[in-house]
Amino acid sequence: ETGVTQSPTHLIKTRGQQVTLRCSSQSGHNTVSWYQQALGQGPQFIFQYYREEENGRGNFPPRFSGLQFPNYSSELNVNALELDDSALYLCASSYSTGSYEQYFGPGTRLTVT
Amino acid sequence: AQTVTQSQPEMSVQEAETVTLSCTYDTSENNYYLFWYKQPPSRQMILVIRQEAYKQQNATENRFSVNFQKAAKSFSLKISDSQLGDTAMYFCAFMVLDSNYQLIWGAGTKLIIKP
Repeated sequence: ETGVTQSPTHLIKTRGQQVTLRCSSQSGHNTVSWYQQALGQGPQFIFQYYREEENGRGNFPPRFSGLQFPNYSSELNVNALELDDSALYLCASSYSTGSYEQYFGPGTRLTVT
Repeated sequence: AQTVTQSQPEMSVQEAETVTLSCTYDTSENNYYLFWYKQPPSRQMILVIRQEAYKQQNATENRFSVNFQKAAKSFSLKISDSQLGDTAMYFCAFMVLDSNYQLIWGAGTKLIIKP
């Protein structure tokens, strides 16, 4: 059974640029949640996708957007990057939107300069 | 607002000792789960233990156990016979079951196990 994978592992972008982060969910999972973890803090919920539809969103501006594909993999897109977007971005998959158990990927470390 | 507070930014104990990490939370909901996650330097978040709020019995997973006090909104984690591999950040989190099942997290406690 393949676990949750994320790519890239880390990347550096310049303020104002756009970035796409990718997540492959664990086999059999149809729900993906994204979290932002700033340095020294706990993660914050960005949004969740269930069967290709956004199923809930945290307190993040519209320049944070996402997609989920038919194979349940997912992308997180961030436009007009700001310095405060520098963080570890975690993806978690689960069997369904009603499942309490989320399985996390290793994260993507984004640095905005 | 729903919040989680971990009042111990960092703790360190000797190997084989017992350590307790504190967590308090605030929610007006009744139907929720509580979790402790471990995040080692590899960054991957690993579930340590979970507790259903409707259960009075405290959850136990091998060396890990919780002390769940629902009225006080307290959820502490006890690690017995601590091992070097327990060194990590520990996060307390909860999930309201009638929402979009998002996890709400504390700021974490850095636990160092000394040889």
